[in-house]
Amino acid sequence: KNEVEQSPQNLTAQEGEFITINCSYSVGISALHWLQQHPGGGIVSLFMLSSGKKKHGRLIATINIQEKHSSLHITASHPRDSAVYICAVNGERGGADGLTFGKGTHLIIQP
Amino acid sequence: DGGITQSPKYLFRKEGQNVTLSCEQNLNHDAMYWYRQDPGQGLRLIYYSQIVNDFQKGDIAEGYSVSREKKESFPLTVTSAQKNPTAFYLCASNSQRGYRQYFGPGTRLTVL
Repeated sequence: KNEVEQSPQNLTAQEGEFITINCSYSVGISALHWLQQHPGGGIVSLFMLSSGKKKHGRLIATINIQEKHSSLHITASHPRDSAVYICAVNGERGGADGLTFGKGTHLIIQP
Repeated sequence: DGGITQSPKYLFRKEGQNVTLSCEQNLNHDAMYWYRQDPGQGLRLIYYSQIVNDFQKGDIAEGYSVSREKKESFPLTVTSAQKNPTAFYLCASNSQRGYRQYFGPGTRLTVL
């Protein structure tokens, strides 16, 4: 069973700072996801990665398959980025068997 | 609009009562999932279904039951055998070949 570890667990930063959240996993995967959960509880998918790097607006996600590690970066952070960011992985068999999740990183961006 | 609906958003029940959480999707997805979220823990898989009339236990299935009579619907029953039912429950779906999961808004269950 895959173990997914995220760091840091909590992060407080000032508006405009560059943010990095890290994720590592223990066994091979078919895909890695970065999710965002707001205080109401709903979850939104930000990225799905199987290799390389993806960018969407101020968000950048990278993955290193050999090192079993992924990072989520937020440039020019803003208070509206405050949320819980969750890393999750699909097993090597693909997408049908569900995801294994990290515990999340609680991010607060102060004005 | 396509998506996943869960109802109700908040649910209160007395200890010892069974309760059923609703999950409906109109995305034409084959696979559906139930996850549980507790404070300080990652989401954990309760049950999943890859096709109508078939489902599999996840990591924490004890005290729960599901059915999949229709492609669109995957209700979860929290039985009195579940020792710590108070939690946030999320339903999700994806297409059989797809990896991205789409999440419902969740139901927060409190057992008094």
